[in-house]
Amino acid sequence: DAGVIQSPRHEVTEMGQEVTLRCKPISGHNSLFWYRQTMMRGLELLIYFNNNVPIDDSGMPEDRFSAKMPNASFSTLKIQPSEPRDSAVYFCASSSEANSPLHFGNGTRLTVT
Amino acid sequence: DAKTTQPTSMDCAEGRAANLPCNHSTISGNEYVYWYRQIHSQGPQYIIHGLKNNETNEMASLIITEDRKSSTLILPHATLRDTAVYYCIVRESGGSNYKLTFGKGTLLTVNP
Repeated sequence: DAGVIQSPRHEVTEMGQEVTLRCKPISGHNSLFWYRQTMMRGLELLIYFNNNVPIDDSGMPEDRFSAKMPNASFSTLKIQPSEPRDSAVYFCASSSEANSPLHFGNGTRLTVT
Repeated sequence: DAKTTQPTSMDCAEGRAANLPCNHSTISGNEYVYWYRQIHSQGPQYIIHGLKNNETNEMASLIITEDRKSSTLILPHATLRDTAVYYCIVRESGGSNYKLTFGKGTLLTVNP
């Protein structure tokens, strides 16, 4: 079991650029989550997918953020345009069912200069 | 709004049991208590969860008081690799049961 795989591990970009973060959930899991972690706000849920359908995107900060799940084995989180305040660690997690334990990837550390 | 209260930090000697407390006095009857930990530079890792009864797995034991207003996570023989932030989470029930709301957690430092 390879676990949840996220790429890239680190991303450094300039303000205004588009950033795409990628996630491969554990095979067979039908729930996928994107979280963001900062020192100030801790871990926050951004969006939740079930069976590839976005169910709750109330945590997405603003329209610059978008997430997709084109199939059961891949999801992306896009920020366009990026801003310095988007700097954070972004985690993807998956679970076999909505109320099952979540398995997290090791995150993407994003730095926007 | 985290529903739990945990100490900010704790220390434990290597080889000793680490007992991490958590208060969740407003927990509802069908809400589970979950524990996760986050080792530096890694994603949160699931440890254990329970509803009413005490639970044990290969990582830890979870003791929930009879009134369910508090719980204790026990690492029976702490090692240096157990140094991490430990999160106690009350998972919402019903339609929002997918939500895990993380608080600030307890930084456990295991000392040699």
